[in-house]
Amino acid sequence: ELKVEQNPLFLSMQEGKNYTIYCNYSTTSDRLYWYRQDPGKSLESLFVLLSNGAVKQEGRLMASLDTKARLSTLHITAAVHDLSATYFCAVERINNNDMRFGAGTRLTVKP
Amino acid sequence: GAVVSQHPSWVICKSGTSVKIECRSLDFQATTMFWYRQFPKQSLMLMATSNEGSKATYEQGVEKDKFLINHASLTLSTLTVTSAHPEDSSFYICSARVVQQFFGPGTRLTVL
Repeated sequence: ELKVEQNPLFLSMQEGKNYTIYCNYSTTSDRLYWYRQDPGKSLESLFVLLSNGAVKQEGRLMASLDTKARLSTLHITAAVHDLSATYFCAVERINNNDMRFGAGTRLTVKP
Repeated sequence: GAVVSQHPSWVICKSGTSVKIECRSLDFQATTMFWYRQFPKQSLMLMATSNEGSKATYEQGVEKDKFLINHASLTLSTLTVTSAHPEDSSFYICSARVVQQFFGPGTRLTVL
């Protein structure tokens, strides 16, 4: 069974600081996603990671994937208040039509 | 491109009634669509996978007679919550897959 563990679940940061969110998964998978969700809204796609060693960056966010360790990280650089949201990682196995989400990390960036 | 819409955005209904939620891929065709449920402050849970022209595949613990899924065309899947009860109140999100999954805006269901 595919399981996804995300930590931390809650993260309170000062503006300007850096931090990393971790996502571990239990079995070989095809794709790893990172999403952002604002309160009352659906998911906003941030990154799709396909292969070992993949690294993608957009603004203050950078995601990486280590398929051997079954680990993905979402690194936040010099956080700003606008990044406050809940971040989810999700892992997909296409042939199984299986998509599992982590529990989410609720990020609060304080001035 | 790759826009997915849901209708309605929110719905309030009385206990015992049925509610239909539509999920449409607006600018692409999707052989496979997915339905998720999200309770407040929780993650998304996959309910079922919907394949065009065939029966949906339900996740363990999801009652297929209660959550009826129809995928009649390559751009439309519907989820009907039958005999809704307050515990069915949730945020329902669909996705459609072409290369990757694209998510709809969600439907907030409140059952009184």
